[in-house]
Amino acid sequence: NAGVTQTPKFRVLKTGQSMTLLCAQDMNHEYMYWYRQDPGMGLRLIHYSVGEGTTAKGEVPDGYNVSRLKKQNFLLGLESAAPSQTSVYFCASSGGTSAAGEQFFGPGTRLTVL
Amino acid sequence: AQSVTQLGSHVSVSEGALVLLRCNYSSSVPPYLFWYVQYPNQGLQLLLKYTTGATLVKGINGFEAEFKKSETSFHLTKPSAHMSDAAEYFCAVSEGPGNTPLVFGKGTRLSVIA
Repeated sequence: NAGVTQTPKFRVLKTGQSMTLLCAQDMNHEYMYWYRQDPGMGLRLIHYSVGEGTTAKGEVPDGYNVSRLKKQNFLLGLESAAPSQTSVYFCASSGGTSAAGEQFFGPGTRLTVL
Repeated sequence: AQSVTQLGSHVSVSEGALVLLRCNYSSSVPPYLFWYVQYPNQGLQLLLKYTTGATLVKGINGFEAEFKKSETSFHLTKPSAHMSDAAEYFCAVSEGPGNTPLVFGKGTRLSVIA
């Protein structure tokens, strides 16, 4: 049982390049989330999904797109990376028997945009 | 809208001393409250949560927190700090029940001095 995994762990992009971050969970959770973490800012919600085929915007969605084609996967895309998107990205999932909405986090992806 | 305020971005304590990390929240509905811990270069791990019922909640690693509705607080405490407690701690709130997105505080970095 791997929990929540994220690919890749590190990435360096040039301004204008695109990339996709992959999140996978093996807990059969309905809900999945993407956050970014910046120093002194805590975690801010980018997008989330309440089930396969559905997505919704969070607090800071601009410049990002997401897709949830399979229940276990949640993809975060950057179409044209900007230096302001340099951050650590965390994926999380929740659901199952936890009525309290406890979220389980992946190890993070450290992205640098030059 | 919900919000979380963590007082003190950095707290330093001596080994064996009391740990007190402060969290105040605002919510228009009865909140679900969480404390997460993040060790360097890792994802977030749940320490404890409050949903309903007993207002004093015990978590892992000897931590506990008390929900005080009148003070809109959910402070985290540990009677005796250990070097391994050095980490960043995040308080979070959701509108619960269910799997609604969490709103996080900006975090408090705990240092433990030998």
